[in-house]
Amino acid sequence: AQSVTQPDIHITVSEGASLELRCNYSYGATPYLFWYVQSPGQGLQLLLKYFSGDTLVQGIKGFEAEFKRSQSSFNLRKPSVHWSDAAEYFCAVGALRSGYSTLTFGKGTMLLVSP
Amino acid sequence: AAGVIQSPRHLIKEKRETATLKCYPIPRHDTVYWYQQGPGQDPQFLISFYEKMQSDKGSIPDRFSAQQFSDYHSELNMSSLELGDSALYFCASSAPGAIYEQYFGPGTRLTVT
Repeated sequence: AQSVTQPDIHITVSEGASLELRCNYSYGATPYLFWYVQSPGQGLQLLLKYFSGDTLVQGIKGFEAEFKRSQSSFNLRKPSVHWSDAAEYFCAVGALRSGYSTLTFGKGTMLLVSP
Repeated sequence: AAGVIQSPRHLIKEKRETATLKCYPIPRHDTVYWYQQGPGQDPQFLISFYEKMQSDKGSIPDRFSAQQFSDYHSELNMSSLELGDSALYFCASSAPGAIYEQYFGPGTRLTVT
């Protein structure tokens, strides 16, 4: 069965500093990987996705992520964090079950942005 | 652009009552998924429907049932509610041929007292 590990429960970054959120996955085949962001009391917004091809994927709001098969990782990065980026970030892997996709999420990383 | 609509946004019920949550997928999306997110937890897959048929089942309690209607909207029915059912319930939808790209609604926050 697939699983996702986000080792950092909380991360605090100064505004303007760079950000990297870690994600490791476990899946027997080529994974479909996603990053979602959730603001307090809000739904999940898709930031970016990796299906195949170029291992560096660009997303919305200036985020990017790099798929590294050898490390089973899909880390999320942003060169300069804005206060509005403070939210919870979930990494997810999509897996086929019975021919249809389900998402398995990591436990999430809460990003705090300090002035 | 149209998004996934969920209603109600907030619901308060007492133990042993029933609740019905509704989900209206993005137009022309044919697959609907339900997820449950407990306090401080990650979303857990409950159940999905494709073309009005149940396509997959996750950790959905037997007290819960769901269906997808001819207009593709879906309802999650929850009976004999327990305190532990208090959670944020998300619906997501995906377009034909794009099952890996799920778009989430804002969620329904269910509080059981």
